[in-house]
Amino acid sequence: GNSVTQMEGPVTLSEEAFLTINCTYTATGYPSLFWYVQYPGEGLQLLLKATKADDKGSNKGFEATYRKETTSFHLEKGSVQVSDSAVYFCARLSSSYDKVIFGPGTSLSVIP
Amino acid sequence: GAGVSQTPSNKVTEKGKYVELRCDPISGHTALYWYRQSLGQGPEFLIYFQGTGAADDSGLPNDRFFAVRPEGSVSTLKIQRTERGDSAVYLCASSPTSGQGAGEQYFGPGTRLTVT
Repeated sequence: GNSVTQMEGPVTLSEEAFLTINCTYTATGYPSLFWYVQYPGEGLQLLLKATKADDKGSNKGFEATYRKETTSFHLEKGSVQVSDSAVYFCARLSSSYDKVIFGPGTSLSVIP
Repeated sequence: GAGVSQTPSNKVTEKGKYVELRCDPISGHTALYWYRQSLGQGPEFLIYFQGTGAADDSGLPNDRFFAVRPEGSVSTLKIQRTERGDSAVYLCASSPTSGQGAGEQYFGPGTRLTVT
């Protein structure tokens, strides 16, 4: 199938903790991969992307590396802040390039 | 620099009624997408427009759902004979390009539809 799987939440971390949110995908070929974020009360916004194997996307201290060997795109941040509390969606571009296929989302709460 | 806007932000309707949801994309964006997001889930694709034409409507759940984009800008999602299962947040997104750039989509705040 063509799907995106990510670790179930909710995830609760203390401020300055290390964050990993796992994401794996199934697809034909090597689609562009994305992490979108939805902050409380706000719309979805693109956090980072990678368009080919071994690319690393990064933004706001978050990173994710496109691993074709493991079909993964795990999101990491070395030191989370309270303001990082949000729902994070892993996603991939469809093979027909006409839509984004989203994972179910992982809710992150960072406590002081 | 306005983003994607959607109206209304909230819509409550009775089962069986007809509703229209409007999306105003970022000016100049040729690609427009509609998604539906149920509570606790990721957005699910409904339909994609390239210009005025629906290039892919494979995500529309049934023939009660229809969308138009007559002038290649504003789009309206129309739902006939609404059912309680249609309750969700309807998201609109636009993108300046299709193809490999299509994943960098800009989302609106959504319309929360509640069917009672």
